[in-house]
Amino acid sequence: KQEVTQIPAALSVPEGENLVLNCSFTDSAIYNLQWFRQDPGKGLTSLLLIQSSQREQTSGRLNASLDKSSGRSTLYIAASQPGDSATYLCAVRRRNYGQNFVFGPGTRLSVLP
Amino acid sequence: DAMVIQNPRYQVTQFGKPVTLSCSQTLNHNVMYWYQQKSSQAPKLLFHYYDKDFNNEADTPDNFQSRRPNTSFCFLDIRSPGLGDAAMYLCATSRHQGQSYEQYFGPGTRLTVT
Repeated sequence: KQEVTQIPAALSVPEGENLVLNCSFTDSAIYNLQWFRQDPGKGLTSLLLIQSSQREQTSGRLNASLDKSSGRSTLYIAASQPGDSATYLCAVRRRNYGQNFVFGPGTRLSVLP
Repeated sequence: DAMVIQNPRYQVTQFGKPVTLSCSQTLNHNVMYWYQQKSSQAPKLLFHYYDKDFNNEADTPDNFQSRRPNTSFCFLDIRSPGLGDAAMYLCATSRHQGQSYEQYFGPGTRLTVT
């Protein structure tokens, strides 16, 4: 059974700080891993998608890495801004389980002005 | 802009009264998903359609059903809502292209059961 965990559950940082969010998964047989952002009471916004054959993806101030062998992914946010405050979730698509995606519980990020 | 749309955004229903949530997409994606997300929890996949093929998750209660009349629309039917079914319901789509399957989500429908 695939289990996805995210540490820490909540994080509070001052504006301008660089930060790293962690995602761990128990089964390395994945097709891809996707990072999302969720604002309170809203849907999920896709941030980055990493295929199993890739090691990292970058978009603006965001960089996501994937180490399949150790079952870990990190989301690096550079020069954080108050607008980055949200919950960040990772999800893995399991190999050999069709369209089954398993989500982590998320990290709630607060960036203080 | 191409997008995933969910209606209504907020739905209040009575205990045991059937309710239908709607999802539509302009992305022309062949896969559509329904997730249930309870407060401060991870989204949980209920089922998905791959084209017209319905795929139910093993632990999805029978109380939840879905219809996909065409590529653009997908409905979530809750036959007899209980208090435990109060949650945010998220619709997502993806396109079968190699192994990409990047998911795109709608804004969600917040269901309240009274």
